[in-house]
Amino acid sequence: QVQLVESGGGVVQPGGSLRLSCAASGFTFSIYGMHWVRQAPGKGLEWVTFIRHDGINKYYADYVKGRFIISRDNSKNTLYLQMNSLRPEDTAIYYCAKDLIDYVDYSSVDYWGQGTLVTVSS
Amino acid sequence: DIQMTQSPSSLSASVGDRVTITCRASQGISNYLAWFQQKPGKGPKSLIYAASSLQSGVPSNFSASGSGTDFTLTIRSLQPEDFATYYCQQYNSYPFTFGQGTRLDIK
Repeated sequence: QVQLVESGGGVVQPGGSLRLSCAASGFTFSIYGMHWVRQAPGKGLEWVTFIRHDGINKYYADYVKGRFIISRDNSKNTLYLQMNSLRPEDTAIYYCAKDLIDYVDYSSVDYWGQGTLVTVSS
Repeated sequence: DIQMTQSPSSLSASVGDRVTITCRASQGISNYLAWFQQKPGKGPKSLIYAASSLQSGVPSNFSASGSGTDFTLTIRSLQPEDFATYYCQQYNSYPFTFGQGTRLDIK
């Protein structure tokens, strides 16, 4: 069965960096695009970034552009999110999610991880 | 960016009721619309893709429709496990955007 397991969250000071990981199993990771979506405490879902199956196309929300970098290692079935210049407003649970359709840039998602909490505070 | 507006923001209903949630896009998105369910303390669950197609394993008491700018999610007969928050999301263009959510609780 499909499993997505996020890790790497924690407490970091404003201006600091953190790298999240999402370990994937139960499907052919290398043919699906992947997303990061976040949720601030008590708030709604907010899309963050997407990476195509081959890592060539990447898209970012304006509020993270230039600070966050999405990447993937298809040999390790792992998705990453490098978060730099963190701000208090980046505090959220970060979820990874798998595309429903393979080999495309525009698809809904079908599976989600359980999330990892990032807290940006001094 | 495309804005997604859900209504109502919250809704109280009873087991067995039929409920409908609406989602409006600020511009046409064809049928590139998804619906998600989230329960407290849990990650989201995918319910609907392509505006009206049920994800695998989603009960048939869920249905959805719409195209262009106006979309609906209907739960035909509420079950206790259906009380949750529901989100729509457009995936017609980046950045993908979510509605603000509709909280469905027990009356």
